[in-house]
Order: sequence, then C-alpha cells, then structure tokens
Amino acid sequence: GAVVSQHPSRVICKSGTSVKIECRSLDFQATTMFWYRQFPKQSLMLMATSNEGSKATYEQGVEKDKFLINHASLTLSTLTVTSAHPEDSSFYICSARAISDTQYFGPGTRLTVL
Amino acid sequence: RKEVEQDPGPFNVPEGATVAFNCTYSNSASQSFFWYRQDCRKEPKLLMSVYSSGNEDGRFTAQLNRASQYISLLIRDSKLSDSATYLCVVTRRDGNKLVFGAGTILRVKS
Repeated sequence: GAVVSQHPSRVICKSGTSVKIECRSLDFQATTMFWYRQFPKQSLMLMATSNEGSKATYEQGVEKDKFLINHASLTLSTLTVTSAHPEDSSFYICSARAISDTQYFGPGTRLTVL
Repeated sequence: RKEVEQDPGPFNVPEGATVAFNCTYSNSASQSFFWYRQDCRKEPKLLMSVYSSGNEDGRFTAQLNRASQYISLLIRDSKLSDSATYLCVVTRRDGNKLVFGAGTILRVKS
C-alpha cells in the first residue's frame, strides 16, 4: 500500500519554542494532505486541510497563526507549531489523499512541550 | 452531541469469541463509512469500508444502516492480535474530511 512518512516521530521541546513536523507521501503524489491531533483516550480531530500550492483550510477553533501549514510540493506538507505550550502536547498525525480518494496515514509525531 | 458515537469499552473477550461493535452517526449527509484499527501509540489503519449491502473480509463483517444511521462491525473467532482500538469513521458530504469516533477498545485474552 501507499506509504506516508512523518518526521520527527517524537519531539520534546521547551515552552515558547517552535516545532516543525514534516509529512511526506513516499510513493504517490498527494494534492491534499490532512493534519490531525489526538489527545490521550480521545478521537483524532481534524485540524486543517492542506492543499498543494494554496492556503490551508483550518477547522473551527484551530488557530491558523499558531499552527502554520505549508504544502509546497505534491509530496510534502509541513506543520509548524509556533510558540508551543504544554497544552499543545499531543499526537499529531498527517494523512495524504491518493488519487483513489483513500487517505493514508503517517505514523504520527508525539510532541511533548515542557 | 458528538458526530460519531461509539461505546468506548473495553470489550474483554477470550480467544475464539465473536464480538460486535456498534457506532452511530448524527449527520445524515455523511457519505462514506469505514472501520479503522488503531494500535497503541500508532496511526490508524484502514480495516474496511462499510456499505449498506454489508461486506465481509475474512473474519470481519461490516454493516451500514442508513435509515438508523448505524454502523456495525462483527469479528468472529477473535485472535490475540485483534486487540486494538476500533475507530468508526464517516466522511462528510464533500467526501473529503474524515470524522472519527473516539474508538472502542478490544482486548482478546488467551
């Protein structure tokens, strides 16, 4: 099946710093990628839809200036958590939509903000 | 009310048992329906799509009832490796965005 990678898999940072997470579709082109967040024992929540070459679409309640998304190519989307705080600690997962409309998920990035 | 509701469980069953999970969704305009499996601290993986006519994949059977806005998953002859969280997922009208339930925990014990 299609492969989506995320980097880093785990990151620990100090409060106030920014963290960049990369999502790559390795063997297919994805015009649309999605970013999700999952807190412990909760469901995945869609944060934003990332479209190649255009601005991301954010879900209600997600601050676009805090969670910067860039989708500069058909195989790469990045999520930057700016001025991270402990409440931003979570499991961030991306998915990439293939031409078949199936979404393939990356392995996730566990962010811990101290 | 959550858009997708699931019984969180956990369901503790012995190997070989048959177990059924249910899910309800509130948006009647939902277009597509899926069951995903998520192992601890890992990404969700597609288990199967769900259709009104029902579909079966080995030991797994999924069913959709659009009138009742209800989705089910039946697992026969449970294996230890079936232990995971099972996520009920629907797409919205545009077919683009996935909406996840919180998941049902299954623990299969020997």
